[in-house]
Amino acid sequence: KAGVTQTPRYLIKTRGQQVTLSCSPISGHRSVSWYQQTPGQGLQFLFEYFSETQRNKGNFPGRFSGRQFSNSRSEMNVSTLELGDSALYLCASSLPGPEDTQYFGPGTRLTVL
Amino acid sequence: GDSVTQMEGPVTLSEEAFLTINCTYTATGYPSLFWYVQYPGEGLQLLLKATKADDKGSNKGFEATYRKETTSFHLEKGSVQVSDSAVYFCALSDRGGADGLTFGKGTHLIIQP
Repeated sequence: KAGVTQTPRYLIKTRGQQVTLSCSPISGHRSVSWYQQTPGQGLQFLFEYFSETQRNKGNFPGRFSGRQFSNSRSEMNVSTLELGDSALYLCASSLPGPEDTQYFGPGTRLTVL
Repeated sequence: GDSVTQMEGPVTLSEEAFLTINCTYTATGYPSLFWYVQYPGEGLQLLLKATKADDKGSNKGFEATYRKETTSFHLEKGSVQVSDSAVYFCALSDRGGADGLTFGKGTHLIIQP
């Protein structure tokens, strides 16, 4: 079974631009979560989607948004990029249900210049 | 809120040495506990998990026991290899994962031949 895939793997943007990242979950997984990883803050939860609905959101500004499609694929968007948005963005998928294990993709490395 | 505390390192060991990476947690409910590993340039890989007190997770020679009385989930391996060099993250999932995973800061492990 194929794992979680994320595209693109690397992105370079400038301040003020916007960016869209894509995530395809493991087949059969309907929950998709997004995380930001930085050297200073570590791994932080952004939001989680299930059946095209955002179920929960971490403590990030409204510039960070996402959506999920009917095939469970998900995108996240960051508008008005800031230097501090440079990070590795990780997507994880899981089966629906409590305590289900999250499986991570390789991440998208975003650099904001 | 929930939190995970782990030694950050770097932890440097010789090949075949015994490994312990300490992890303690604070949670409001009865969380599931996880160890993830991240190799350079890659996403997170699930190493092992435990979903209730006294459960022992194990994989690839690594073990961790869910200790509710000490709120701990220490990672151990009897004989490490150079290929175990990576960053290890302890994480918890509370409220059925509704708030995403809460991660520790990560422990950088370096194994010298």
